[in-house]
Amino acid sequence: AQTVTQSQPEMSVQEAETVTLSCTYDTSENNYYLFWYKQPPSRQMILVIRQEAYKQQNATENRFSVNFQKAAKSFSLKISDSQLGDTAMYFCAFMKHAAGTYKYIFGTGTRLKVLA
Amino acid sequence: DGGITQSPKYLFRKEGQNVTLSCEQNLNHDAMYWYRQDPGQGLRLIYYSQIVNDFQKGDIAEGYSVSREKKESFPLTVTSAQKNPTAFYLCASSGRDRVPYGYTFGSGTRLTVV
Repeated sequence: AQTVTQSQPEMSVQEAETVTLSCTYDTSENNYYLFWYKQPPSRQMILVIRQEAYKQQNATENRFSVNFQKAAKSFSLKISDSQLGDTAMYFCAFMKHAAGTYKYIFGTGTRLKVLA
Repeated sequence: DGGITQSPKYLFRKEGQNVTLSCEQNLNHDAMYWYRQDPGQGLRLIYYSQIVNDFQKGDIAEGYSVSREKKESFPLTVTSAQKNPTAFYLCASSGRDRVPYGYTFGSGTRLTVV
């Protein structure tokens, strides 16, 4: 069974600094997708970044980038120039296609606090 | 603005009651999903629907029911058979061909049993 592990329940970072959130996953699949979602205090889940497993190039979205290590099954999120608005719960998620549908497996989340 | 609306934001249920959580989207998305979120756990899939008048059980469907009579609406009923219904419930949607690009989520409903 696929699993997603986020080993850091809580993290903090000073404003303007860089922080990296860890995520590892377990799968025997070769084709899949990986995501980072942000859940701010409003509780709405917002897509931050996604990565297709067949692409070796790491995805970037402005201040957000990932370090995708397929062999190690690792998918960390780096937030550069942290802002107070980045304070949120961050969920790593794995998605695969099977039996005619796609299915997400979510990690348990990392609570990030950006300090002024 | 296009998006997903969940209502109510907070809901209180007495023991033995059924309650219905509303989820409406104006994104013209085919697929809709219900997730449950508990503290210290990731999101768990309750039910999903890929097309009107069709829906499938997710990983934790026991004690829940859904309907999909309209494309834009996917209500979730938490029945009295659900033993531990207190949780945060999130609705999501996606275009059928856009699923690998991620979902759009609503702002959730917090259900508390009193």
